[in-house]
Amino acid sequence: GNSVTQMEGPVTLSEEAFLTINCTYTATGYPSLFWYVQYPGEGLQLLLKATKADDKGSNKGFEATYRKETTSFHLEKGSVQVSDSAVYFCALSGTRAQKLVFGQGTRLTINP
Amino acid sequence: GAVVSQHPSRVICKSGTSVKIECRSLDFQATTMFWYRQFPKQSLMLMATSNEGSKATYEQGVEKDKFLINHASLTLSTLTVTSAHPEDSSFYICSARVAGSRLTDTQYFGPGTRLTVL
Repeated sequence: GNSVTQMEGPVTLSEEAFLTINCTYTATGYPSLFWYVQYPGEGLQLLLKATKADDKGSNKGFEATYRKETTSFHLEKGSVQVSDSAVYFCALSGTRAQKLVFGQGTRLTINP
Repeated sequence: GAVVSQHPSRVICKSGTSVKIECRSLDFQATTMFWYRQFPKQSLMLMATSNEGSKATYEQGVEKDKFLINHASLTLSTLTVTSAHPEDSSFYICSARVAGSRLTDTQYFGPGTRLTVL
């Protein structure tokens, strides 16, 4: 079945550091890939997505590229801010299934 | 656009009572809504998929008689936790999928409902 594996957290960085959160997936067909962010006490917000190979999703300085050859969708940001502290979830939606399959989440803390 | 609301945001109830949680898509039609449960510091667990006008599809291990789902319109789905017990205490999150082709398969999430059963 489909699955998503995320880099284990928690991750702690200093402000303005470079961020990478690794995400790899297993899926049949051509899934869509997503990054969601969850701030404390809130639901999930869509951060970015990519629907086909080599697509790059970007939003708020975050980027992720759909790499079919390595089955990866790593999240990157060049310079993080304290306000980026949250839990980040990588997810996929299969070719036919409507369901989202989530990774385990990565807690990110940015210190000033 | 694509805003999903949930009500209430927090609820505390006594053991044995029932609690209804509403999920609304405010500015789009959602033929499909999803209900998730999230335990502290864990990922989301899909409980059921709700399609407008039909019975919900429950994931394995989720009691359909305990977690009643109704999706009566294209903008509203409700989850009723019947005869709630302390072990049902959790963060419940709904999401809605925009009606249309697979190209619009993004799910938009509500802010969640924190249920505490005493």
